[in-house]
Amino acid sequence: ETGVTQTPRHLVMGMTNKKSLKCEQHLGHNAMYWYKQSAKKPLELMFVYNFKEQTENNSVPSRFSPECPNSSHLFLHLHTLQPEDSALYLCASSQEGGSAYNEQFFGPGTRLTVL
Amino acid sequence: AQSVTQLGSHVSVSEGALVLLRCNYSSSVPPYLFWYVQYPNQGLQLLLKYTSAATLVKGINGFEAEFKKSETSFHLTKPSAHMSDAAEYFCAVKESGGSNYKLTFGKGTLLTVNP
Repeated sequence: ETGVTQTPRHLVMGMTNKKSLKCEQHLGHNAMYWYKQSAKKPLELMFVYNFKEQTENNSVPSRFSPECPNSSHLFLHLHTLQPEDSALYLCASSQEGGSAYNEQFFGPGTRLTVL
Repeated sequence: AQSVTQLGSHVSVSEGALVLLRCNYSSSVPPYLFWYVQYPNQGLQLLLKYTSAATLVKGINGFEAEFKKSETSFHLTKPSAHMSDAAEYFCAVKESGGSNYKLTFGKGTLLTVNP
C-alpha cells in the first residue's frame, strides 16, 4: 500500500448503529486530519492529530469520536448519527514542524450514508 | 484567520480552450497557497503549490498558477483544456497556529470540458 488509504470506501448505516472509519498513511508523516465534505459546502476540518495528540477539534458533535493509536493510523468512531451527517469523509496526512510549504496528502474518502 | 475565495462555482470550456480558475486569498505574510484537484469519487490530489521561489508555479497535467501579491490572487491556468481535466478544483491557504498548520479551502470550482 502507498499513500493514504481509507476503509471502507462506502458505508450505509442506520441512526442507531455504531461504525468506525479507518485511515492509514504509509508516508511516515507526523500529522493526520479528518475532513467532512458535504455537497455544496466547503471542506470542513473536523480533527487534527499531531504526533498522536489531538490538537484541533472544530466543534464537532460528540457522536463523532476520533482515535489515533499511533502516527500511522487514525479512526473515526460513529454512533447515533443523523441523516445530515451523510457526506464524504476524507482523511489526510502531512509532515509538520519543518517547512510550512508541506502539503497534505489525501485518501480516497469514505462515502457515508445515514438512513 | 485566512480565507480563500474562488470566483465561479462552475466553469465550462471547450476542449482545446484556455482554462482559467480564479482564486483570491486574504492578505498574509507569507501566504502558503495550494491548488488541489478532485476527480469524481476520489480524494484530493495536489496540482501545485506556491513556495515563494518563483511567482509562476508549474504543476502537474500542464497546469500553472501565478502568484500576484498586489492582487492577492493565485489563479490557475492551462493553455489547452483536455476532456480528462473535468473535475473539481480547490484553492487552499495554509495558516500557522500553535503547533498546527491548518489548510483553509475555497468552495471549489467545477470544471466541465465540452467536446
